[in-house]
Amino acid sequence: DIVMTQSPDSLAVSLGGRATINCKSSQSILYNSNNKNYLAWYQQKPGQPPKLLIYWASTRESGVPDRFSGSGSGTDFTLTINSLQAEDVAVYYCQQYYANLYTFGQGTKLEIK
Amino acid sequence: QLQLQESGPGLVKPSETLSLTCTVSGGSISSTSYYWGWIRRPPGKGLEWIGTIYYTGTTYYNPSLKSRVTISVDTSKNQFSLKLSSVTAADTAVYYCAKHPIQGTTLIGYFDNWGQGTLVTVSS
Repeated sequence: DIVMTQSPDSLAVSLGGRATINCKSSQSILYNSNNKNYLAWYQQKPGQPPKLLIYWASTRESGVPDRFSGSGSGTDFTLTINSLQAEDVAVYYCQQYYANLYTFGQGTKLEIK
Repeated sequence: QLQLQESGPGLVKPSETLSLTCTVSGGSISSTSYYWGWIRRPPGKGLEWIGTIYYTGTTYYNPSLKSRVTISVDTSKNQFSLKLSSVTAADTAVYYCAKHPIQGTTLIGYFDNWGQGTLVTVSS
């Protein structure tokens, strides 16, 4: 299994500030034949299902504000949220889909400081 | 706009079979553009992929659950279903159905549309 490890487990950021969430895979999820990283990011607010934010590590889903950005390659990835807003309070998950056994990170809880 | 909705019992006894259905509206489950999946989130824990199905019946399962899981599709009802046998308290979770996109004819493993989820508690 590809193990996905997120850091930190939780963080508190001031309104208007920047949040950075890291995700590390236990093996490379870069597919050399198409040069794509098989990594997605989701946002889950209380009582709601996860919402897709980013796929292919850096492609923003339609309708997602450009405050959200994804970066990284191989085994190390980052979700960055700029100009943090109150509505961004949520748990964020990364997911690899490189292997046919899809696995998620443990989640990072984002709060307002 | 494609929508997914889970339904089924909220309480299942230990050793019995958990059965859930996902109804798809606003689109056809027989579309060649999607695969369909089940994911769960136990209380206080992260997300776990259970399995995925195509309208033809092709399935992929999480090996850790494969011996107990059956996912099926009913194209006449625009639904797909999950059965998990021999449940224990560890199977208590919010269960989600969700959609995978396809690129060409290739399943892409992220989930771009989710149902609201349904809590299933395993208890006597």
